[in-house]
Amino acid sequence: ETGVTQTPRHLVMGMTNKKSLKCEQHLGHNAMYWYKQSAKKPLELMFVYSLEERVENNSVPSRFSPECPNSSHLFLHLHTLQPEDSALYLCASSQVPSSSYEQYFGPGTRLTVT
Amino acid sequence: GQNIDQPTEMTATEGAIVQINCTYQTSGFNGLFWYQQHAGEAPTFLSYNVLDGLEEKGRFSSFLSRSKGYSYLLLKELQMKDSASYLCAVRDSNYQLIWGAGTKLIIKP
Repeated sequence: ETGVTQTPRHLVMGMTNKKSLKCEQHLGHNAMYWYKQSAKKPLELMFVYSLEERVENNSVPSRFSPECPNSSHLFLHLHTLQPEDSALYLCASSQVPSSSYEQYFGPGTRLTVT
Repeated sequence: GQNIDQPTEMTATEGAIVQINCTYQTSGFNGLFWYQQHAGEAPTFLSYNVLDGLEEKGRFSSFLSRSKGYSYLLLKELQMKDSASYLCAVRDSNYQLIWGAGTKLIIKP
């Protein structure tokens, strides 16, 4: 595996379900990010982990819970979601500090909440 | 507040040149990025500007004017595979990326 991988690629869940999204980066980076991408809206930063410590959560609802067990893995635990949470969830990684802090993205998980 | 503006959609012809503009108002500036995102795929890095001027990379060039809060992405010799969304993002004083909503570029034969 190379780059940033995410599983599952597609997920349909009911509002009472609990599920988790997984992200893994194979780039040796030390920072990882969760973004939400809704149609025709800017990417919304949800969580940032730098050196495995959470540094940003941007007032995300508590029904989203991140976990970063090590610098290569990132999870997003989901429970009692709402239909408006349906979106593409993107994971990214980067090296900090660096000359550009360029972020590398995974392919995303397309989440549908019914 | 912080804001990134770019056109929602643009159409261009194969073989032509297209310029996608981006204007920004952010709290501080630590670089501007352009990403390409094909439908259903991950955004991929195209360019990074931190100083004023033009950065050229093959068929793609990116320009920055910090005093005007303005950037553009120039795509030359357009190919059908260039049909995608182009995302502009600015890194603010906290080193967080502020994203535009993206410009969907449609290439016609």
